[in-house]
Amino acid sequence: AQKITQTQPGMFVQEKEAVTLDCTYDTSDPSYGLFWYKQPSSGEMIFLIYQGSYDQQNATEGRYSLNFQKARKSANLVISASQLGDSAMYFCAITGGYNKLIFGAGTRLAVHP
Amino acid sequence: EAQVTQNPRYLITVTGKKLTVTCSQNMNHEYMSWYRQDPGLGLRQIYYSMNVEVTDKGDVPEGYKVSRKEKRNFPLILESPSPNQTSLYFCASSLTSGRAPEQFFGPGTRLTVL
Repeated sequence: AQKITQTQPGMFVQEKEAVTLDCTYDTSDPSYGLFWYKQPSSGEMIFLIYQGSYDQQNATEGRYSLNFQKARKSANLVISASQLGDSAMYFCAITGGYNKLIFGAGTRLAVHP
Repeated sequence: EAQVTQNPRYLITVTGKKLTVTCSQNMNHEYMSWYRQDPGLGLRQIYYSMNVEVTDKGDVPEGYKVSRKEKRNFPLILESPSPNQTSLYFCASSLTSGRAPEQFFGPGTRLTVL
């Protein structure tokens, strides 16, 4: 069965600095996808970035990049130049068959001015 | 605008009083699902539907029912709610495609069962 582990319940970062949110996964599927979602205090789930298991290059979306290390089964999210609006809960997820996503417990990020 | 809508957004109810949370999407997606979010557990899938009249259990289906009579709608039914069903609920939809099944999430329904 697929599993996502996010070992950092909470993180903080100074505004304008970069921060890395950790995510490790376990799956026996040869083909899978990894996602990161942001959940601000208002509660909605916002898609940030996607990495396919066969993608050769690490995914990037604006200030977000995914540090994908397949052999180590890790998919860390890097946020560059943090902004106050980045304060939120962040979830890592992996595809679990039939379009299901398996989520980690999340990491709460606080950006300090 | 492409979106998934849920109603109500907030609901406080009492144990045993049947309720329905509606979900609708306007993207002609085949696949829809319901998740619940609890602190420290992330989101867990309750039920999913591959298409009209095709539904199946997810990881935590106990105490819930669903139906898919139309492609755009996927209501979640709690026949006899209990306090352990107090949670934040999300409906999601996606195209049934192989490679990148990005799920579009609704805004969430915060349910409290007293």
